[in-house]
Amino acid sequence: GIQVEQSPPDLILQEGANSTLRCNFSDSVNNLQWFHQNPWGQLINLFYIPSGTKQNGRLSATTVATERYSLLYISSSQTTDSGVYFCAVEGSYGQNFVFGPGTRLSVLP
Amino acid sequence: ETGVTQTPRHLVMGMTNKKSLKCEQHLGHNAMYWYKQSAKKPLELMFVYNFKEQTENNSVPSRFSPECPNSSHLFLHLHTLQPEDSALYLCASSQGGRGTSVEQFFGPGTRLTVL
Repeated sequence: GIQVEQSPPDLILQEGANSTLRCNFSDSVNNLQWFHQNPWGQLINLFYIPSGTKQNGRLSATTVATERYSLLYISSSQTTDSGVYFCAVEGSYGQNFVFGPGTRLSVLP
Repeated sequence: ETGVTQTPRHLVMGMTNKKSLKCEQHLGHNAMYWYKQSAKKPLELMFVYNFKEQTENNSVPSRFSPECPNSSHLFLHLHTLQPEDSALYLCASSQGGRGTSVEQFFGPGTRLTVL
């Protein structure tokens, strides 16, 4: 099945810093989503982005489907950005939605 | 209520108990999913329902029994669980099923502890 890798596994930032999270996938995809899981376990949709670039406030994402990767940019990070960021993909050949292992972000005041 | 809701939010049960988790979506979607998130493991898809029909059972043990009476409600019946079944169980919904390339929306989860 399709494999999903995320890097870095852990990231510690000072408040106000910028960061880039990466998601690599092993096959072509129809669906790619970025989620933020808060400390209570809720998965919050950030972007639905199988290709192209989107921006939402301090967050933006880019997926280069032909090169099989996606990037999530967080600018001017805040302590409330802390949590785990997941990338999840659905392969083009009808595979199930597969989650990456996540990047754990800690933003320090 | 809006979005996807799950009850209970926390559940502690013994290995001989029978309990059920409930999920309800208020988004008008036709596909619903159960996922399991164990400590230090990626989220794992358990079951998929599309228009009330189960379309995926991802090799889940029979002690987990799903039920989808309509497109808005999804249950996960639990019986004779093991301590290693302790995890966060997440429900999700989407407008289309697998292969339709649509966004999934998740509920807050039920944190299950099996003693």
